[in-house]
Order: sequence, then structure tokens, then C-alpha cells
Amino acid sequence: SYELTQPPSVSVSPGQTASITCSGDKLGDKYACWYQQKPGQSPVLVIYQDAKRPSGIPERFSGSNSGNTATLTISGTQAMDEADYYCQAWDRSTVVFGGGTKLTVL
Amino acid sequence: QVQLVQSGAEVKKPGASVKVSCKASGYTFTSYDINWVRQATGQGLEWMGWMKPNSGNTGYAQKFQGRVTMTRDTSITTAYMELSSLTSEDTAVYYCARAGTDGDFGRWGQGTLVTVSS
Repeated sequence: SYELTQPPSVSVSPGQTASITCSGDKLGDKYACWYQQKPGQSPVLVIYQDAKRPSGIPERFSGSNSGNTATLTISGTQAMDEADYYCQAWDRSTVVFGGGTKLTVL
Repeated sequence: QVQLVQSGAEVKKPGASVKVSCKASGYTFTSYDINWVRQATGQGLEWMGWMKPNSGNTGYAQKFQGRVTMTRDTSITTAYMELSSLTSEDTAVYYCARAGTDGDFGRWGQGTLVTVSS
């Protein structure tokens, strides 16, 4: 079965750039999207179709997807960005989520 | 505005079934697939399956085949997910999510906690 691999944790200082990767076989051939989830809340879509931002998502969130890796980049990271982040893709009519990355802003 | 409102928390005994509802509003219910995702405490997101409200067609994750049933009632714009033969490992928050045209989940319900305990 298809798998997406994320680092369990990423740390970043306020104002710096955070990058979270998501790896899967030929992931660049599929659309990747990203969700942000804060404790006790439902996930929120922050990037879809590899690099598009839904309405209301700050411009500091961006995405890319090529080869075997999709990347979520948060520029000028703020304390409010501390959360769990999940990548997601479709493989043969099946949804696959990455294991999630805890972003710590310190 | 688009809203997905789920039914309340449930406590079930092992071996029982649970049926969670997801009431959609603010858009044409039959135009977007509904997916179900669950999350055990402290764990990641786990996809369970999809349903097309216009046809009732479904697709389930292999892990849940034979144990999950996704249905809908278009007259009240509500989707349902029923999971049978519950065990303690099914204790989780269950979410419904509306899928966009490219498979992203742009809208989520608030989640329903299902606790399986004897």
C-alpha cells in the first residue's frame, strides 16, 4: 500500500522559515495537500493542489511537490503556527495521510 | 456558509455498532463527496472511506471493508457512517469532511468522540 512519510517533529524560531517534508513514491505525479491541526480542533486545509492556498490562509504558507517529495513551507513563522501538520494524497481511489509532523515554535 | 455538523459523543460496548451523522448545509449536498476520517487520541489521521451523495456510491479503506457502511439521506442533506463489531481500538474522534474537486478536504465537521468500553 502507498505510504507518505513525514518527520515526527520540526522546530523553528519565531520569524524564521519552517519546512516540513512529505515523502512518497512518485508523489510528484499526484496532488499533495496539507492540513494544520491544533489541539482539540478539526484539521484545516492550508495547501491544496500542491501549492494553492485556500481563502483565508496567510501568504506565509506555501507548498511545492516534485519527484518523491512534497514540502510545506511557512515563512516568518509565528507562535500561532505551532500545530500538527499532515500531508495527504490520493492513490488509486484511496486517501493516504502522512503520519503528521509536530511543529514547535520556540 | 458551508457547515458540517456531526452528532454527539457516543459510548458503546465491545461488539456493538455506532452510527455517526454529518448534517451538511450552505452548499449543494449532492455536488461534493463526503469522506470519513478518524483519529485516536494522540495519533494521526486515518482515512476510512468516501461516499458520493448524488449516487450513494462508496469506497472504503481496506482496513474497514466489511465493517463500515456509509449512507446518506439527501432529503435532509445528511451523511452517515456506521461502524460495526466495535473494539477498544475503535475509540477515536470521527470526522466527516467534504472533498473538493481534486480530493482535498476543505471543510470538516467538528468531530464525534466514540468511546468503546465495557
